[in-house]
Amino acid sequence: GEDVEQSLFLSVREGDSSVINCTYTDSSSTYLYWYKQEPGAGLQLLTYIFSNMDMKQDQRLTVLLNKKDKHLSLRIADTQTGDSAIYFCAVFTYNQGGKLIFGQGTELSVKP
Amino acid sequence: KAGVTQTPRYLIKTRGQQVTLSCSPISGHRSVSWYQQTPGQGLQFLFEYFSETQRNKGNFPGRFSGRQFSNSRSEMNVSTLELGDSALYLCASSPRLAGDTYEQYFGPGTRLTVT
Repeated sequence: GEDVEQSLFLSVREGDSSVINCTYTDSSSTYLYWYKQEPGAGLQLLTYIFSNMDMKQDQRLTVLLNKKDKHLSLRIADTQTGDSAIYFCAVFTYNQGGKLIFGQGTELSVKP
Repeated sequence: KAGVTQTPRYLIKTRGQQVTLSCSPISGHRSVSWYQQTPGQGLQFLFEYFSETQRNKGNFPGRFSGRQFSNSRSEMNVSTLELGDSALYLCASSPRLAGDTYEQYFGPGTRLTVT
């Protein structure tokens, strides 16, 4: 079945760049998303990329997609303590009528 | 626009009982999906409703069911609760228009604890 993998933890210093990585197995995935979850909250959609794109930039966020390797990354420039959260990669699959498959989430810790 | 709302936010139930959770999507969105989030299994898809019809379903037992009303509000029901049903239940709404980008917008979730 479809699978999405992420590393579980990332720690960076405030002001540095953070790079969160994700790999997926479903080659038919058309849209790929990054969500952020803060403690006690739901998921906030940060950005998404269409599978025919290599890169998308949105303010401090840069998404890179390597479709050949099925690898997605999220770069956060000038990381702030307020960026500390869990980041989920998700891919949209048309299997079973269409649904999102989520990775396990990467917990980003930003140290001052 | 108001976001996705879920009620109640917290719930404590006893094993064997049943529970109903409610979700109101963003105005104009016709699709509502439900997810279960647990520390062990992560985020797992339960089902999606679109225009009052279940469009697709994840791998959960029949104790988990849902429905959608004509105003797009959705309810999720879990019968004969088990300890393992303790989780954060998230609802997400999506416009699901032809050619859209399928992005989903999540509510704050309902934290269900089964004792």
